[in-house]
Amino acid sequence: QKEVEQDPGPLSVPEGAIVSLNCTYSNSAFQYFMWYRQYSRKGPELLMYTYSSGNKEDGRFTAQVDKSSKYISLFIRDSQPSDSATYLCAMRTNFGNEKLTFGTGTRLTIIP
Amino acid sequence: DTEVTQTPKHLVMGMTNKKSLKCEQHMGHRAMYWYKQKAKKPPELMFVYSYEKLSINESVPSRFSPECPNSSLLNLHLHALQPEDSALYLCASSQEVRLGYEQYFGPGTRLTVT
Repeated sequence: QKEVEQDPGPLSVPEGAIVSLNCTYSNSAFQYFMWYRQYSRKGPELLMYTYSSGNKEDGRFTAQVDKSSKYISLFIRDSQPSDSATYLCAMRTNFGNEKLTFGTGTRLTIIP
Repeated sequence: DTEVTQTPKHLVMGMTNKKSLKCEQHMGHRAMYWYKQKAKKPPELMFVYSYEKLSINESVPSRFSPECPNSSLLNLHLHALQPEDSALYLCASSQEVRLGYEQYFGPGTRLTVT
């Protein structure tokens, strides 16, 4: 079993829809959770960063963490064609280990 | 400013060549990272530098040689690469390697080994 599971998609939704992207994880030591957006042939761009369980909102993006279920989500409201990209979840422990563990990424396409 | 820059953007090299990838950040970050990313795969950690000292080497072959000349610069020296080393090489930085500091990525160098 992989430490982090993420549906690779592809996921296609119409413009304006709410998008839900999810990751599950098995290592209960993960404490920090990140979402990166990666456009084709570009480096990952940090979107959201959360530590505790609960919700964190930034504009059209909401990150949700449920540590009891080992489940994290990224919601995109009012989706735009410019949101079309691969979304990677990443997480790390609090042991001072520098290593990020990534999900495989979900390819998202917003259809105009 | 959360910018990490990388040069070159693209690199084609033969298996006998020696080349270097460069990464630069001016955010005062003290941790810098090299990742390798194959198509449709997540980034794989190669090296971590903390305060200009190599902190992690993820069992990377010796044909990849990292160097951190100062706190703003990170190089990756390449020698005798194989075609399977063709990938997007990403540099990242964070304020510290300790917990809680998110990593910012550069745009990457797309390397093709012929």
